[in-house]
Amino acid sequence: NAGVTQTPKFQVLKTGQSMTLQCAQDMNHNSMYWYRQDPGMGLRLIYYSASEGTTDKGEVPNGYNVSRLNKREFSLRLESAAPSQTSVYFCASSEYGGSMDEKLFFGSGTQLSVL
Amino acid sequence: GENVEQHPSTLSVQEGDSAVIKCTYSDSASNYFPWYKQELGKGPQLIIDIRSNVGEKKDQRIAVTLNKTAKHFSLHITETQPEDSAVYFCAAVEANQAGTALIFGKGTTLSVSS
Repeated sequence: NAGVTQTPKFQVLKTGQSMTLQCAQDMNHNSMYWYRQDPGMGLRLIYYSASEGTTDKGEVPNGYNVSRLNKREFSLRLESAAPSQTSVYFCASSEYGGSMDEKLFFGSGTQLSVL
Repeated sequence: GENVEQHPSTLSVQEGDSAVIKCTYSDSASNYFPWYKQELGKGPQLIIDIRSNVGEKKDQRIAVTLNKTAKHFSLHITETQPEDSAVYFCAAVEANQAGTALIFGKGTTLSVSS
């Protein structure tokens, strides 16, 4: 099993450009998450989807949108990228979801630079 | 909301020594406390977790202790090995009006030298 797969692994954008980060999991998990990781800041939740068809804001949702395309796929879109969105983005999934008190499975990350 | 403080930010030990990382949390309602290990270039992986009805949990060379009264929990790694070198994150669950969220500490970079 591949687990959680993220594409692309690296991306450079110019300010104002848009892009979509893709995430897919093959573990039949109900819940999926997007985190960003900045130096010295730990991991911060951007958006999550507790089940197919639902999405909710996390700690830092401004400037992002998400789509839970189906049970496997959860995409993160930057409509107009800003330098403050330079970060490493991680997608994660969990089997049940809803209460967050279960194991998260993380992808290997997307390193995004906005110039 | 929940606030998770993690110390130290960096920790260097000799192979075979023990390492201890400490976290404090602010929300007394939090009841789940996981620890994640992140190796260079990879995503975090859960290594151990503890729930509020337990004071200590062990898994081979790693252990986690929880003091609910003081609102702190710690990760203990014994007989450290070079492959333990990584960034370690603690976390706590925050319950709010929107649902629940896993709030992470800022991480501890552990270096084990042989």
